[in-house]
Amino acid sequence: GENVEQHPSTLSVQEGDSAVIKCTYSDSASNYFPWYKQELGKRPQLIIDIRSNVGEKKDQRIAVTLNKTAKHFSLHITETQPEDSAVYFCAASKGNQGGKLIFGQGTELSVKP
Amino acid sequence: NAGVMQNPRHLVRRRGQEARLRCSPMKGHSHVYWYRQLPEEGLKFMVYLQKENIIDESGMPKERFSAEFPKEGPSILRIQQVVRGDSAAYFCASSPLGEQYFGPGTRLTVT
Repeated sequence: GENVEQHPSTLSVQEGDSAVIKCTYSDSASNYFPWYKQELGKRPQLIIDIRSNVGEKKDQRIAVTLNKTAKHFSLHITETQPEDSAVYFCAASKGNQGGKLIFGQGTELSVKP
Repeated sequence: NAGVMQNPRHLVRRRGQEARLRCSPMKGHSHVYWYRQLPEEGLKFMVYLQKENIIDESGMPKERFSAEFPKEGPSILRIQQVVRGDSAAYFCASSPLGEQYFGPGTRLTVT
């Protein structure tokens, strides 16, 4: 069935360092890959997404890469700040024009000042 | 432009009662999704609706759960005869077509 695996489950970095979170998906028909940030008790917030016709996308300190052949995608955060501390979820969908999201298990990122 | 609205934000029900959760999508969005998040876990898809239509309900439990998105008014997720295992955060997301934007969630506690 459809599955998304996310690693690591927890990640601790020093302020200013980079953080990388990796996800693999099982359904080769997946074509839309968003990333969400969720602070404690809050809603998931869309921070960046990528579609299957693109290999990389950047937005300031955040970048996402996609390897369709290997069926994995990664989130890169550079120059981390304490306010980046949160749980990050990757997701995959077969419908970049609509369709359910299959989420990874989440990564708890802690940025130490 | 107001974001996705959900109410109530917190709901306490006793075992056997009914829970009704409401979701108003962002203006201009005609697609609504419901997800459930158990404590310390990720988000699990439940149902995808457009106005007056259920598009995908593959994540809905077969019994006690139902959802609707009428022509007028919010989307409703209804849980009948709640049990302790239904305690979770229920999020809805709305979409114009593609990106999904989440509401603040309803935290259901079954006592």
